[in-house]
Amino acid sequence: GESVGLHLPTLSVQEGDNSIINCAYSNSASDYFIWYKQESGKGPQFIIDIRSNMDKRQGQRVTVLLNKTVKHLSLQIAATQPGDSAVYFCAETDAQKLVFGQGTRLTINP
Amino acid sequence: SQTIHQWPATLVQPVGSPLSLECTVEGTSNPNLYWYRQAAGRGLQLLFYSVGIGQISSEVPQNLSASRPQDRQFILSSKKLLLSDSGFYLCAWSRVYSGNTIYFGEGSWLTVV
Repeated sequence: GESVGLHLPTLSVQEGDNSIINCAYSNSASDYFIWYKQESGKGPQFIIDIRSNMDKRQGQRVTVLLNKTVKHLSLQIAATQPGDSAVYFCAETDAQKLVFGQGTRLTINP
Repeated sequence: SQTIHQWPATLVQPVGSPLSLECTVEGTSNPNLYWYRQAAGRGLQLLFYSVGIGQISSEVPQNLSASRPQDRQFILSSKKLLLSDSGFYLCAWSRVYSGNTIYFGEGSWLTVV
């Protein structure tokens, strides 16, 4: 569910390594999930989505995994680059609106 | 292609003053429209959503209101701002509620002093 009041957790990775960002969702009836990337001072940008009838979807350098049994979503970024530094949000549909997770701040170490 | 614009990008307002943030969507018709707020370093909170002209749903009790005078125009307002209204306000649109991506504008930074 929404965690709008919490400080964001942080993930630090070395440039070139793979990043894995995790998200737990609450509504077992959710059928659509999205990952967004938000750079500082900008609006969130769509990265990749997945429907509940899938457990994996790949994009360019990104993969989303969905485990409905434990209500867990992950975003994998291959060969992390400095431009990947941002806050990453997962979101699930809740019948009438999109509900966002708390977000994770990804920082890249040179 | 569809685009979303919101303005102003930044504003500083005194406590008790009114507020008007505007958002327009181009390249689509009858979009669903949303206003979100994001406190610094925090997550996204849905404030209002609209499925059509004049149809507004409020998600949380607050000092703000929203209006949709035209199909692709969404306005966030306040008659008297509070310090707690400070934050990053994001307008967004989608084709339908469930199962479709929401696309965000660039946001408006509001500082109430």
